[in-house]
Amino acid sequence: SQKIEQNSEALNIQEGKTATLTCNYTNYSPAYLQWYRQDPGRGPVFLLLIRENEKEKRKERLKVTFDTTLKQSLFHITASQPADSATYLCALGRSGGYNKLIFGAGTRLAVHP
Amino acid sequence: DAMVIQNPRYQVTQFGKPVTLSCSQTLNHNVMYWYQQKSSQAPKLLFHYYDKDFNNEADTPDNFQSRRPNTSFCFLDIRSPGLGDAAMYLCATSREGTGGPPGNQPQHFGDGTRLSIL
Repeated sequence: SQKIEQNSEALNIQEGKTATLTCNYTNYSPAYLQWYRQDPGRGPVFLLLIRENEKEKRKERLKVTFDTTLKQSLFHITASQPADSATYLCALGRSGGYNKLIFGAGTRLAVHP
Repeated sequence: DAMVIQNPRYQVTQFGKPVTLSCSQTLNHNVMYWYQQKSSQAPKLLFHYYDKDFNNEADTPDNFQSRRPNTSFCFLDIRSPGLGDAAMYLCATSREGTGGPPGNQPQHFGDGTRLSIL
């Protein structure tokens, strides 16, 4: 069955450092991948979308890579700030035919001053 | 601001007593989704409406139903809630191309309704 793995343990980093979160998947061939941020008690908020033919996408301090050979996406936050503390979810989708997003359980990021 | 609004934010119901959660959107998106999210777990898609077309996930229990009376509103009905249905219920929308299934577009989420079962 399809499986998405994100680190279940929280990632703790110091303010100003780069945070790197990992999303691995198996038994799936996504056409695109999305990253969302979720704060406690709130709904997910869309951050970035990357397609299978794109290696890298950037938006301000955020960078996403997508390696379909390794079946992995990396999500980077540079110059991290305490306000970046949240849970980050990856979600995979396929084009063509019936389509839906499959979400990972997310990784909690804590940025310490 | 255009947004997705879920009411109520917190809902308490009794075991077996029907409950309805509501979602409204001002984004004029053609697709609306309902997800169930339990603590520290991934959001799980229950069903979605593509315009007026209802699409149920294969593993969504019959206990869960949905209605979409117009573009702006969507409801989640739980006919006989069990203890295992306690969760956060998230509504989301997206604007998808005409003539095709959903996908490849960002989804816009409401802040959810946290459902507790007594």
